[in-house]
Amino acid sequence: AQKVTQAQTEISVVEKEDVTLDCVYETRDTTYYLFWYKQPPSGELVFLIRRNSFDEQNEISGRYSWNFQKSTSSFNFTITASQVVDSAVYFCALAPNSGYALNFGKGTSLLVTP
Amino acid sequence: GAGVSQSPRYKVAKRGQDVALRCDPISGHVSLFWYQQALGQGPEFLTYFQNEAQLDKSGLPSDRFFAERPEGSVSTLKIQRTQQEDSAVYLCASSFRDYPYEQYFGPGTRLTVT
Repeated sequence: AQKVTQAQTEISVVEKEDVTLDCVYETRDTTYYLFWYKQPPSGELVFLIRRNSFDEQNEISGRYSWNFQKSTSSFNFTITASQVVDSAVYFCALAPNSGYALNFGKGTSLLVTP
Repeated sequence: GAGVSQSPRYKVAKRGQDVALRCDPISGHVSLFWYQQALGQGPEFLTYFQNEAQLDKSGLPSDRFFAERPEGSVSTLKIQRTQQEDSAVYLCASSFRDYPYEQYFGPGTRLTVT
C-alpha cells in the first residue's frame, strides 16, 4: 500500500521566515516517484518538483529546496525567506513505478503574513 | 502555451440530476487523469486515459460515474443521479506521455449537490 503523511495541517509564519513542510511516505516499491504541488487560493494545482527514488541529491530552486532521505522515508520542502505569495496549500504526492495515479497527502496550509 | 482548461468552473445540481464536466488537456498530451478533491483533503484518483483508451477506472466511486475521451483529446466526466456526497472539486490533469511524467492540472470544477 502507498501512503503519504503530511502531519502539519496548518503553518503560519511571518514574512521572511524560513519554513519547512514535512512529508513522510510509505511504499513497498523500490522504484517510485515523489512530487510536490502548490495549490493557491485560485485552486489550480501547480507542479513544483518530481524526484525518483534513486536520486537522493537535494535540490534547490531559488527560494525552494527539497531534502529527500530514503532512510527516513521523508521528502521535506523548505521555503527560504518566505513571502506572502507563498501562502497556499502544499501537497506531497507519491507515484509507484508500475502505476500512474498520484497518491496525495492531505496537504499543509501555509499562511505567510506581512 | 495554454494550460488545462475545465468547464464549467462551478456547477450546482439538485440531487438526482445528471451532470457533465468537461476537460480540455494541453495540446499533444497523451495522458489524461481525473481526480476528486473533497474539502480539506488531497485529490483522489478517479480514472486515467491514454489517448482514447480508458486504462484505469478503479477510482470511480460508483457506477453512476462515467468518463470518456472519444477522440483522444477532450474528456467528459459524467455523474448520473447526483448525490450530496458527490459534492467536491473535480480536477483534470494531463501529461505529455505516460508515467512518470509530471501531471499538469486544470482549475477544477466545483460541484455542489443540493
